[in-house]
Amino acid sequence: DSGVTQTPKHLITATGQRVTLRCSPRSGDLSVYWYQQSLDQGLQFLIQYYNGEERAKGNILERFSAQQFPDLHSELNLSSLELGDSALYFCASSVDGTHKYNSPLHFGNGTRLTVT
Amino acid sequence: LAKTTQPISMDSYEGQEVNITCSHNNIATNDYITWYQQFPSQGPRFIIQGCKTKVTNEVASLFIPADRKSSTLSLPRVSLSDTAVYYCLVGDQRRGSTLGRLYFGRGTQLTVWP
Repeated sequence: DSGVTQTPKHLITATGQRVTLRCSPRSGDLSVYWYQQSLDQGLQFLIQYYNGEERAKGNILERFSAQQFPDLHSELNLSSLELGDSALYFCASSVDGTHKYNSPLHFGNGTRLTVT
Repeated sequence: LAKTTQPISMDSYEGQEVNITCSHNNIATNDYITWYQQFPSQGPRFIIQGCKTKVTNEVASLFIPADRKSSTLSLPRVSLSDTAVYYCLVGDQRRGSTLGRLYFGRGTQLTVWP
């Protein structure tokens, strides 16, 4: 158990709809990352938050947005969904900050999104 | 952004040692090398991390030559349960250059046969 909790585990919705994926990081971790994994694209980095602020942005579509709340949990909002958005969405967390070492990422078990 | 290159797939048999090499020609001085393992429908799991020479833990060893342009993940005596995708990442998250370690690439599909 990585200590990272993602809900829901599965989500089925229709094209054009909007969904929210939730992530609770490991206790003590300040950074949250979102990844998308589909069969043809591999594991794609979307966005990173550190202590409530956006720190890095990857290949995140404009239809997608995320935020990290004061209690450090994070939500990924996906809107105007398309068939191609069907994928596994992973959240990861790490300590980060000004440590002398590179703290590894700890991943949740993902949310499987199916857009029909 | 330090790009990494790994073999797409590898096959092995139970009980053998497996070595997966990752090339990272433009690694920066302060970059760390980190390896993750991913099983189907699960999130990647941290295996090992190093900066130079050799690192060993209970599951794997990481060998880094002096020029640091490549690294090798060594899995001793693999079993069927080691069948997974293995990712190599390079970057330094401490300050500044954080992005390299965030990009997983396609990884190496290791298949262990009985």
